[in-house]
Amino acid sequence: NAGVMQNPRHLVRRRGQEARLRCSPMKGHSHVYWYRQLPEEGLKFMVYLQKENIIDESGMPKERFSAEFPKEGPSILRIQQVVRGDSAAYFCASSREVQETQYFGPGTRLLVL
Amino acid sequence: QKEVEQNSGPLSVPEGAIASLNCTYSDRGSQSFFWYRQYSGKSPELIMFIYSNGDKEDGRFTAQLNKASQYVSLLIRDSQPSDSATYLCAVKYSGAGSYQLTFGKGTKLSVIP
Repeated sequence: NAGVMQNPRHLVRRRGQEARLRCSPMKGHSHVYWYRQLPEEGLKFMVYLQKENIIDESGMPKERFSAEFPKEGPSILRIQQVVRGDSAAYFCASSREVQETQYFGPGTRLLVL
Repeated sequence: QKEVEQNSGPLSVPEGAIASLNCTYSDRGSQSFFWYRQYSGKSPELIMFIYSNGDKEDGRFTAQLNKASQYVSLLIRDSQPSDSATYLCAVKYSGAGSYQLTFGKGTKLSVIP
């Protein structure tokens, strides 16, 4: 049973470019969560999605950030017009039911030059 | 503001000793508690979860929960150098946003051979 998949594992962008981060949940999991880990900081919740629905995006910056989880395909976290402060590790987690354990993917490490 | 506090460490223990990691949380409405292990540059890996007051044992790991004191700990018996990692305490709160994991910043454990 494959775990949570994320790609790319490393992403380098210049300021002003767009970053697209992808997450495929574990098989049988329909709940997806995105977290961000800044250097020397703990993980912070960003957004919670179910298929085709954003349930809670309270942890996501209002501007430049968006997320989706389409009926077909992976969940995508999109960051427009990246700035250096966006440099971080972005982790996706999934669970089978909302109250069940969240399992984390390997993360995407974004570096903004 | 719901907070999870951990000593950042580093906590150094000799091989074979017991490592004791501690975590406090601010909200009495907290519902469930998790310990994740994170090796440098890797993703968080679930070690244990605990919901009820008392102890829960799994192999060399024991989680302890005291809701009255708002305190949760992780004991690692017979510590091995491979246990050297950052240990993240995470809490799920009841009510709105109960699916979110709120993380501490982590305690860095170093097991000395």
